[in-house]
Amino acid sequence: DQQVKQNSPSLSVQEGRISILNCDYTNSMFDYFLWYKKYPAEGPTFLISISSIKDKNEDGRFTVFLNKSAKHLSLHIVPSQPGDSAVYFCAAKNQGGKLIFGQGTELSVKP
Amino acid sequence: KAGVTQTPRYLIKTRGQQVTLSCSPISGHRSVSWYQQTPGQGLQFLFEYFSETQRNKGNFPGRFSGRQFSNSRSEMNVSTLELGDSALYLCASRVTLGQGRDEQYFGPGTRLTVT
Repeated sequence: DQQVKQNSPSLSVQEGRISILNCDYTNSMFDYFLWYKKYPAEGPTFLISISSIKDKNEDGRFTVFLNKSAKHLSLHIVPSQPGDSAVYFCAAKNQGGKLIFGQGTELSVKP
Repeated sequence: KAGVTQTPRYLIKTRGQQVTLSCSPISGHRSVSWYQQTPGQGLQFLFEYFSETQRNKGNFPGRFSGRQFSNSRSEMNVSTLELGDSALYLCASRVTLGQGRDEQYFGPGTRLTVT
């Protein structure tokens, strides 16, 4: 049972435009959500997070939106840069502290 | 501060063998989690150790086991290897910042290939 889903395995965006990565979850008890970025041959690195009591968190070019009623999370990258090309994972934390990850979306930003 | 280190980085084993992977967390971090990454499956949680005790466990068979030492270093062991165990195994050390906030730092992973 996949509790965190990233339904788009890949996304291609032109440099300078907005990248929107989506994530859906099924468990309403998740209380914290995170986005990680992964380059080949490296471990994932933390990007941005949001608590379930908020609906938006912004950090520079990265903004995460949380829609609890729809159980939907999105990451916006504006403007997109070629260095943003990587695999992006969303993750949700349950109250037991376990992190559940989505399958990942590979973002390609073309110059 | 040194990051999370994992050894070895690459490993090739034969079906039926067993393997032990090692992880050293960031100094001062007491929580270590292990994940398996395969194409299309994302990161699947294996288990988490905190102060030498298993705190959380994923849905993997008993062939997958782990332990944590008093210096917070952790090992995971896979016995009777199967072809489907070929994956990138990631270790992460975690620190809780309060108010539900966590920061989890990943190592570079061990690429295991089972032939």
